[in-house]
Amino acid sequence: RKEVEQDPGPFNVPEGATVAFNCTYSNSASQSFFWYRQDCRKEPKLLMSVYSSGNEDGRFTAQLNRASQYISLLIRDSKLSDSATYLCVVRVTGGGNKLTFGTGTQLKVEL
Amino acid sequence: DGGITQSPKYLFRKEGQNVTLSCEQNLNHDAMYWYRQDPGQGLRLIYYSQIVNDFQKGDIAEGYSVSREKKESFPLTVTSAQKNPTAFYLCASTTTGNYGYTFGSGTRLTVV
Repeated sequence: RKEVEQDPGPFNVPEGATVAFNCTYSNSASQSFFWYRQDCRKEPKLLMSVYSSGNEDGRFTAQLNRASQYISLLIRDSKLSDSATYLCVVRVTGGGNKLTFGTGTQLKVEL
Repeated sequence: DGGITQSPKYLFRKEGQNVTLSCEQNLNHDAMYWYRQDPGQGLRLIYYSQIVNDFQKGDIAEGYSVSREKKESFPLTVTSAQKNPTAFYLCASTTTGNYGYTFGSGTRLTVV
């Protein structure tokens, strides 16, 4: 089983739609959680951290369910510019401050 | 502006050659990382370093080597022992605490 699992998509949605991505992680010692965005042939960029109480940044909302080991990202009012791959990322307690990346969910926003 | 610089952007290697990928950061970050990305496989950790003159193997270190002689620099050498080196290589850094990584723009290595 992969440490971080995501539906690879692609999710094809019309502009203005609301779309949700889910992610599960296997290591209960995971302590920090992030969503990264990666455009085609570019480096990943931090979209937002995910906090236990849930957090929002504009049109983006992230949720964490530690009991179910489940993370979600909700994008409201999708824009064409939101088209990218979204990576679910976790940090496990322990040495190295290492991050483990999911394989990503591809989003395509269409006119 | 502070950031991470990777060079070159594109690199072509002949079979049997060693090549070195450069990674330099001016963010004053202590920890630096090398990842490899292949299509459909996500990012996999090659090596990481939390402090100067110290580094540890990641999940796929075979065929790679690193050094960390300066805080700002963490070069990666892809040796001839790496059987499938064609990939997108990403360098990242972070500071202590609950922070994500900052990535460089990557190097695309192709074996010809």
